[in-house]
Amino acid sequence: KNQVEQSPQSLIILEGKNCTLQCNYTVSPFSNLRWYKQDTGRGPVSLTIMTFSENTKSNGRYTATLDADTKQSSLHITASQLSDSASYICVVSDRGSTLGRLYFGRGTQLTVWP
Amino acid sequence: EADIYQTPRYLVIGTGKKITLECSQTMGHDKMYWYQQDPGMELHLIHYSYGVNSTEKGDLSSESTVSRIRTEHFPLTLESARPSHTSQYLCASSAKKEAQETQYFGPGTRLLVL
Repeated sequence: KNQVEQSPQSLIILEGKNCTLQCNYTVSPFSNLRWYKQDTGRGPVSLTIMTFSENTKSNGRYTATLDADTKQSSLHITASQLSDSASYICVVSDRGSTLGRLYFGRGTQLTVWP
Repeated sequence: EADIYQTPRYLVIGTGKKITLECSQTMGHDKMYWYQQDPGMELHLIHYSYGVNSTEKGDLSSESTVSRIRTEHFPLTLESARPSHTSQYLCASSAKKEAQETQYFGPGTRLLVL
């Protein structure tokens, strides 16, 4: 069964600290993996996208890694800010259909405290 | 910020009412999607469209219906709302020509059926 599991479910950190969010998936075949940021009451916004051949990709203070062999990805946030408080969703796309079906994780709820 | 809009943002209605959730995008995207998201849970695809006059049901069974008469407009209708329809509904669009197709999400409609 194709699944995307994220950990931790929720995380609280102090402003300025770093943190790492995890994503494990069993989706096969694999096309790409995305990390989205979803603010409360808003729609998700894409942070990074990685294909099979990419190991790491950065977007400002966000750095995503991908290990396609172990089917694991991580999102590292450096020098966290209050505005980083949001849900971070891992999304994996397969190649099994013309739609390129997306499999969503439940997200990690990050809270940054001052 | 993506040019995709949803109205209303919040809706509280009584059981049995007919409602239409509006979604429009100004990016000229061919593909559009409707997702349902409950708190702390993953997004579930309920409808999608490849273009005008094309609509398909998604993975999650839904009593709602959709139409795609114009490229930019993808409304979702519930003929008779029930409390079980209470949820957040997210509309998204993506472009067919992009090498790495990324979905752009609207802000969502939070629906409460009493």
